[in-house]
Amino acid sequence: SQTIHQWPATLVQPVGSPLSLECTVEGTSNPNLYWYRQAAGRGLQLLFYSVGIGQISSEVPQNLSASRPQDRQFILSSKKLLLSDSGFYLCAWLEGSYNSPLHFGNGTRLTVT
Amino acid sequence: DAKTTQPPSMDCAEGRAANLPCNHSTISGNEYVYWYRQIHSQGPQYIIHGLKNNETNEMASLIITEDRKSSTLILPHATLRDTAVYYCIVPRWDKIIFGKGTRLHILP
Repeated sequence: SQTIHQWPATLVQPVGSPLSLECTVEGTSNPNLYWYRQAAGRGLQLLFYSVGIGQISSEVPQNLSASRPQDRQFILSSKKLLLSDSGFYLCAWLEGSYNSPLHFGNGTRLTVT
Repeated sequence: DAKTTQPPSMDCAEGRAANLPCNHSTISGNEYVYWYRQIHSQGPQYIIHGLKNNETNEMASLIITEDRKSSTLILPHATLRDTAVYYCIVPRWDKIIFGKGTRLHILP
């Protein structure tokens, strides 16, 4: 069966520090991968999505970037965190075919201080 | 994504059926309707999806109108654990956008 791993579960980082969040999927190949962010009390904002290795579509670039170095690995990064980067970061995947639902990881709760 | 419209909030008594509406009047002929829910502090959970026929699984039923411009998610016997935000989505290609959804309150 397919599973998605996202870590860490919680993170507290100072302003200006770098960020690296990792997401991996098991049990499937060539999935579509997604990063979402949810600020406190707000809706889900699509940040990046990828339909294949090295293919990244950016929705809200700001000071964040994403990379997909391997088929089932998706990394969200920042060189310098802002206070406004605090939030709940969710990775999700779906089978790379039409008519397939999204499956979410458990998320990373990031607090920038 | 095709635009969807949902009421911001709804109440339902525990044990009764919860009927959550969604309008998607710009849906195209081959686009599916998906429903997800997000319980507080968790990632969204897939519930059900459909194209034109009504669908049922262990969690819910999905009723899609004949013109496909609206749908209703039915939770047959709501419990307190069904308190969540429910999202209706019509994905267009690979980009999947979540709207604000409906906050469902189950009343004891």
